[in-house]
Formats: sequence, structure tokens, C-alpha cells
Amino acid sequence: GIQVEQSPPDLILQEGANSTLRCNFSDSVNNLQWFHQNPWGQLINLFYIPSGTKQNGRLSATTVATERYSLLYISSSQTTDSGVYFCAVGLMNYGGATNKLIFGTGTLLAVQP
Amino acid sequence: EAGVTQFPSHSVIEKGQTVTLRCDPISGHDNLYWYRRVMGKEIKFLLHFVKESKQDESGMPNNRFLAERTGGTYSTLKVQPAELEDSGVYFCASSLYGDTEAFFGQGTRLTVV
Repeated sequence: GIQVEQSPPDLILQEGANSTLRCNFSDSVNNLQWFHQNPWGQLINLFYIPSGTKQNGRLSATTVATERYSLLYISSSQTTDSGVYFCAVGLMNYGGATNKLIFGTGTLLAVQP
Repeated sequence: EAGVTQFPSHSVIEKGQTVTLRCDPISGHDNLYWYRRVMGKEIKFLLHFVKESKQDESGMPNNRFLAERTGGTYSTLKVQPAELEDSGVYFCASSLYGDTEAFFGQGTRLTVV
């Protein structure tokens, strides 16, 4: 089955630093989402980004579907950015409509004051 | 508009007992998914409903798990009898269409002792 790999697995930053998280996937997908799991366990939607580039405040994401990777950029990091960041890809199935997400193993980010 | 809501937020049960988890999707979302994260592992797909029909239940671990979605609205996931390895966080998600952005609930943390 499809493999979704995220790097780095762990990351420690000082507040104010920038970072780039990467998600590689092994097969064609027709959607991709980035999530932030906060300390309370909630999965917060960051981006729905099957291709192209999107920005939302200090966060931006780029997916290059033809090369099977996506990047999540965090600028001017804050302590509230701490948590686990998941990439999840949607599989092409059932005539083009995805029906499930395959999650990567996540990147654990700790932002220190 | 309310997001995906799950009940209960936490459940502690003894091995051999029965537990029922509930998910209320975003209003109007025909697609409803169950996922779970067992300790130390990645988030994995369990099953997918389109309205009241099971579209894909390939991720259900065994016949101790039963999911229903009566009337195509809320869904329940019953575990009977529960085993120790069923402990983890159970997430529900919903989307408008099969290949559109999925939104997750806050999860139910199940502990089997």
C-alpha cells in the first residue's frame, strides 16, 4: 500500500525560529491535508492542499503532486505551535472519489520560549 | 456551525465489557469516517459511511467492532467485548464529498483495563 513518510520525526525550536516539515508519499493521490494535533489531542485542520501553494498567517504549505511531496512552513514559531503535525493523503478510489486518508507518522514539534 | 462532535471524550472500561462511541458529523456531510490511533502508532482508517451505507470497512480490525449510521446522521462504534489492545484514541471525521476536505472530531480516548 501507499507509504507516507514525514520528516523530521522530532524538532525543537526556539521561539521566533522558522521551520520546514516534509511529507513524502509513494503513489498518486488526489488529496492531501496537513493537521496539527494540539496538546489536548484535537486534530486541527491546517491545509487541504492536493497541489499548489497556500498560506494562512504564519503557516504556508506547498504540494508538488508530480514529485510526490508536500512541505509545511512555519515562520516566527510560537510556543502554541507545539504539538504533532500530521500529513495525510487521500487515495484515488471508487471512480475518483477518495474514501480514506492515510496518515504519516507525524513530526513532534516543541517550541521553547 | 457546529463541527464534528464525539461522545464521550474519555472512557475507561474493564476488559470484556462493551463500549459505544458516538459521532455527530457536520450537518449535511454525507461522508463519515472512523479512525483510531493506538498507543505509539499512526492514525489508521477504520471505515467509511456514505449516508447510511458502509462504503469501505477494510480497516475494521475484527468482528468485535460494529459501526452503524442509522438514518445517515450520527454514527456509533461499538466494541464488544473490549480487549486491552483496543485502547487508544478513536477519531471520527466527516466530509461533504468523498474527495473533499475531512474535518475531525476531538476524539474519544478509550482505555481498557
